[in-house]
Amino acid sequence: DGGITQSPKYLFRKEGQNVTLSCEQNLNHDAMYWYRQDPGQGLRLIYYSQIVNDFQKGDIAEGYSVSREKKESFPLTVTSAQKNPTAFYLCASTRGPGNTIYFGEGSWLTVV
Amino acid sequence: AQRVTQPEKLLSVFKGAPVELKCNYSYSGSPELFWYVQYSRQRLQLLLRHISRESIKGFTADLNKGETSFHLKKPFAQEEDSAMYYCALYSGGSNYKLTFGKGTLLTVNP
Repeated sequence: DGGITQSPKYLFRKEGQNVTLSCEQNLNHDAMYWYRQDPGQGLRLIYYSQIVNDFQKGDIAEGYSVSREKKESFPLTVTSAQKNPTAFYLCASTRGPGNTIYFGEGSWLTVV
Repeated sequence: AQRVTQPEKLLSVFKGAPVELKCNYSYSGSPELFWYVQYSRQRLQLLLRHISRESIKGFTADLNKGETSFHLKKPFAQEEDSAMYYCALYSGGSNYKLTFGKGTLLTVNP
């Protein structure tokens, strides 16, 4: 079964703790993305990676970090520096520019 | 900087009425534009892209470079069209950055 898998689906963390969200794809896609979806804000780009061992900041990268050590994996770490971490996070992947982007089911992060 | 603007957060129409979801963009180069849709409890999925110039589920969208717009249209709305619609822009070339608008929630009433 091909696709993008995000885990966990729901995550609760205490303020001040770092948390890592997992994103795995078996579509052999080169590019992967992390978006944050807040009510009324649409999808805002956090980080994206065009190829293994390379990634670029999106529009709201502050307080987040990523790595791309393997083609299939693009984990997102929400650090304690992120001021408003409670949100719905979406991972996506594509073969390349202009191609269809495929999305995961998302991860709900609640920081208390 | 690339930007996508969807001026309407909410749009409500009756079944059978025409519907137009507006999308304006700002980008100096030659962008590639897309519409994505999110039905209730489903993943975001591609609806259509401007380069293919195809009609999906009765929806069409024309890229107007003069007005920097990519409005989504359907002549006769159906109840199953109720969903969240996002306009998205690729800057093109070797840059993989994909920017989304804030989305428009379309409700088609019976």
